[in-house]
Amino acid sequence: DVVMTQTPVSLSLAIGQPASISCKSSQSLLGTSGKTFLNWILQRPGQSPKRLIYQVSKLYSEVPDRFSGSGSETEFTLKISRVEAEDLGVYYCWQGTHFPFTFGSGTKLEIK
Amino acid sequence: EVQLVESGGGLVQPGRSMKLSCAASGFTFSNYGMAWVRQAPTKGLEWVATISYDGSSTYYRDSVKGRFTISRDNAKSTLYLQMNSLRSEDTATYYCTPGAYFDYWGQGVMVTVSS
Repeated sequence: DVVMTQTPVSLSLAIGQPASISCKSSQSLLGTSGKTFLNWILQRPGQSPKRLIYQVSKLYSEVPDRFSGSGSETEFTLKISRVEAEDLGVYYCWQGTHFPFTFGSGTKLEIK
Repeated sequence: EVQLVESGGGLVQPGRSMKLSCAASGFTFSNYGMAWVRQAPTKGLEWVATISYDGSSTYYRDSVKGRFTISRDNAKSTLYLQMNSLRSEDTATYYCTPGAYFDYWGQGVMVTVSS
């Protein structure tokens, strides 16, 4: 199975500060289609997960552009340019290239 | 508006069976593969199973292979998860989610396996 390693485990940031979350996979997530199925989701406290980014860097239309994703092969990063109060929650990276699909263990973002 | 409504959960004894349902609306259900993802209490997310848009292909994580069966009824826009020989480690909130990117999530349904 592909192991997804997320760091840090938690972040405590003030509003307006930048955030960066790393996600590393144990094998390349570049698929035979030429696409890299590395995705990010956010789970706010007490809520179901919500989509953020797919295929490494593609933002869904409802996601603010202060979010960005980058990376390739086995190393990926989620960045928030300026944290806002609504960004608190647990961020998960997950890969959909290889079965079984696997998730990172999550990064909890707290607002100071 | 996409809606996913999971149902069928509850308390069940180890070794017994339970069937979850997920009623989908707001998108063309028959065009999308579907998946079940679960989350044990206070834990992270874990993919359970995926089914292709037409039901012809299914995929499972090893720990549920042979015990769980994912299926769908495209006429009813409903996804199912038949869970047999349940174990305490299957205790979790189960979510259904569509597509290759898990674009939408329901509110989830809690399954507790305990004697």
